[in-house]
Amino acid sequence: DAGVIQSPRHEVTEMGQEVTLRCKPISGHNSLFWYRQTMMRGLELLIYFNNNVPIDDSGMPEDRFSAKMPNASFSTLKIQPSEPRDSAVYFCASSFSRQADNEQFFGPGTRLTVL
Amino acid sequence: DAKTTQPPSMDCAEGRAANLPCNHSTISGNEYVYWYRQIHSQGPQYIIHGLKNNETNEMASLIITEDRKSSTLILPHATLRDTAVYYCIVSGGTSYGKLTFGQGTILTVHP
Repeated sequence: DAGVIQSPRHEVTEMGQEVTLRCKPISGHNSLFWYRQTMMRGLELLIYFNNNVPIDDSGMPEDRFSAKMPNASFSTLKIQPSEPRDSAVYFCASSFSRQADNEQFFGPGTRLTVL
Repeated sequence: DAKTTQPPSMDCAEGRAANLPCNHSTISGNEYVYWYRQIHSQGPQYIIHGLKNNETNEMASLIITEDRKSSTLILPHATLRDTAVYYCIVSGGTSYGKLTFGQGTILTVHP
């Protein structure tokens, strides 16, 4: 099993550009989570999906952020337009969610730098 | 989700047991205690979880007090590779599937 796959691993872009981060969850998992980690704010949950449906997007910072999960094997997190304060490491995680059983498997992360 | 409180940092000698405490005094009856760790620059890694009974797996043991207001993660024989940030998280009930990470405990294992 390849684990959770994220791409790209590193992204450097200029302010105002669109950024798309990609995630492939572990096959058979039915929940997918997007997190952001910064020194100031720690590890924050942005949004999560269950069976491809967004369940809780209360952590999405603002309208510039959007996430989609068109099928069980792929999800994207898009930032448009990007700003320097979006610089962070973005993690994707997946799990096979049963009630109260929540072992999440994390990907290696995408390090985003917005200049 | 119930809030957790952990010491910001701890040290441990290699080969000794590392005991990491966590307070979760507002935990509700259907919430689980989870432990994750994050080694520098990597994604968090699941360690163990439990409801009210003590749990053990190949990585660690989890001791939960009878009133469930606190717990201890035990790494029985710490190695240098166990140096990481350890997060104690309470999750379940109406928010199952959602993990709220705090600041965690930075565990440093010394030779």
